Amino acid sequence: GQQVMQIPQYQHVQEGEDFTTYCNSSTTLSNIQWYKQRPGGHPVFLIQLVKSGEVKKQKRLTFQFGEAKKNSSLHITATQTTDVGTYFCAGLNAGNNRKLIWGLGTSLAVNP
Amino acid sequence: DAMVIQNPRYQVTQFGKPVTLSCSQTLNHNVMYWYQQKSSQAPKLLFHYYDKDFNNEADTPDNFQSRRPNTSFCFLDIRSPGLGDAAMYLCATSRKFLDFPLNNEQFFGPGTRLTVL
Repeated sequence: GQQVMQIPQYQHVQEGEDFTTYCNSSTTLSNIQWYKQRPGGHPVFLIQLVKSGEVKKQKRLTFQFGEAKKNSSLHITATQTTDVGTYFCAGLNAGNNRKLIWGLGTSLAVNP
Repeated sequence: DAMVIQNPRYQVTQFGKPVTLSCSQTLNHNVMYWYQQKSSQAPKLLFHYYDKDFNNEADTPDNFQSRRPNTSFCFLDIRSPGLGDAAMYLCATSRKFLDFPLNNEQFFGPGTRLTVL
């Protein structure tokens, strides 16, 4: 079945260091969405990428969508303790646009 | 504010005792989802409603059922909860992709944490 792989599973950084999580889909995606889930919380939408090769920025966060629309990345510059949480990518399959296929998430811990 | 509401936030039930979780939304979204999320795992889709069209995931146990009496409300019924059903249950809504290809992100409720004794 269709899968979205996400790496790394865990990342531990010192405050101020950069962080990147990567997603790779087995099939072409209509779009890819990124969510953040704080410990004890629910997933919160961050951004959606639609176009091949698209790059979007939100302050210290940079999101990329690959040219083939099969892979994506989230990069955080100079992490802060408020960045702690699990980051999920979730792709909408080009053949079935009714439901997201979720990556397993990357759990980020930031040491102050 | 428009939102997704789940009740109760915490539910304790006994092994085999039926339980119903509820979700309501004021976003007027056509699509509603029920997810199960266990500790340190990604949300796992159980069902979704695309308008009134009900879609059951192939690996969703028969023990789980859902009802959507109107656009705003959706219920998750667990007929005979087992210990393995203890989890966070998340309700989410979205616009339809075909109508809103650029704005179909999912809005999650706070979740109901189910404990099975």
